[in-house]
Amino acid sequence: AQSVAQPEDQVNVAEGNPLTVKCTYSVSGNPYLFWYVQYPNRGLQFLLKYITGDNLVKGSYGFEAEFNKSQTSFHLKKPSALVSDSALYFCAVRDITTTGFQKLVFGTGTRLLVSP
Amino acid sequence: DAGVIQSPRHEVTEMGQEVTLRCKPISGHDYLFWYRQTMMRGLELLIYFNNNVPIDDSGMPEDRFSAKMPNASFSTLKIQPSEPRDSAVYFCASTEGTGIYEQYFGPGTRLTVT
Repeated sequence: AQSVAQPEDQVNVAEGNPLTVKCTYSVSGNPYLFWYVQYPNRGLQFLLKYITGDNLVKGSYGFEAEFNKSQTSFHLKKPSALVSDSALYFCAVRDITTTGFQKLVFGTGTRLLVSP
Repeated sequence: DAGVIQSPRHEVTEMGQEVTLRCKPISGHDYLFWYRQTMMRGLELLIYFNNNVPIDDSGMPEDRFSAKMPNASFSTLKIQPSEPRDSAVYFCASTEGTGIYEQYFGPGTRLTVT
């Protein structure tokens, strides 16, 4: 089965500094990778996806992610963090079930805390 | 659009009671997903529907859990009987076929079983 790993439970960054939230993947075949964000007491929101094409993917709210095949990574980045970016971030990968249907498998999440 | 609507937002019940969670997907979406989120296990897919038909229920933990989608605008997740280990936040999400990976999540139902 396909999987993703988020090695950091929490990332702390000062407002205005660049941020990186790490994700590595384990897949057979070509990976379909995603980032979602969860704000407090809310459901997850889609940020961006990589399916094919450019290794640098741009998404919502100024976020981008870099696909690196040799390092099997898909790190989420933003050049300048905002306090309002503080949230829980999930990396996800497409998996195909034994019955041939597609679903998302989520990582454990990384809490981003941006300090003023 | 109002987004995915879930009710109730919070549910506290006693062990052994029946619990029913409800979801109204975004109009026009043909996929509906039920997830469970806990600190220990993270976000787990329980079941999903396509055009009201259950496609993959391999994530449903036990026979105590059941889900239905009687029409395109309504789905339920039922737990009978409930147990303390069922305490979690349950999310419903929907999407349309062309964007299956870009799922729209509801606000969740926080279930506490005492």
